[in-house]
Amino acid sequence: DADVTQTPRNRITKTGKRIMLECSQTKGHDRMYWYRQDPGLGLRLIYYSFDVKDINKGEISDGYSVSRQAQAKFSLSLESAIPNQTALYFCATSDLGVNTGELFFGEGSRLTVL
Amino acid sequence: AQKVTQAQTEISVVEKEDVTLDCVYETRDTTYYLFWYKQPPSGELVFLIRRNSFDEQNEISGRYSWNFQKSTSSFNFTITASQVVDSAVYFCALSDSGGGADGLTFGKGTHLIIQP
Repeated sequence: DADVTQTPRNRITKTGKRIMLECSQTKGHDRMYWYRQDPGLGLRLIYYSFDVKDINKGEISDGYSVSRQAQAKFSLSLESAIPNQTALYFCATSDLGVNTGELFFGEGSRLTVL
Repeated sequence: AQKVTQAQTEISVVEKEDVTLDCVYETRDTTYYLFWYKQPPSGELVFLIRRNSFDEQNEISGRYSWNFQKSTSSFNFTITASQVVDSAVYFCALSDSGGGADGLTFGKGTHLIIQP
């Protein structure tokens, strides 16, 4: 089983719908991240969290919200999805103890907003 | 602010050719880490290498090698005798002196196409 698991892996939805992408990890890492990938733009940080009480905005947080339900779970929500949120979303973790910034990624969630 | 530039959007070579992917970075930190990740057509992100800013030794792993030069702020990646399985998007990334707590800064990626 993957150490960082994302659900759903693929989702097609309509404009205005609420969507939640879920991430769970078994690596025991404190730091969790949500990135968005668009063709030609690389990966951009949406939100990140150091623990359940510490949530931080990334570069492109507008239109998104997150919830850190537990050390192992970090969810990304789109309250009212719009077509330009169509993208590949990655959850990632990193190890505070090692402290190099190396990210361990989930397999990605491909979201299409019609 | 940190920045990572991968100027090559797409590279296409014939199998068995050598190919170098360029990565130039900007940071004010003296301590940082550089990374390369591979994204094959299946979409997952695969970690390739991590390099500490204090370690300028080049590294070789099989057909892969990395050339880190602080003087030019570059961390280039060379694939020797390329194979079709090397076809992927490759990302260079940078962490800050805080151990990347605020996440990594990624370049926009280089799409490498290896033609048989």
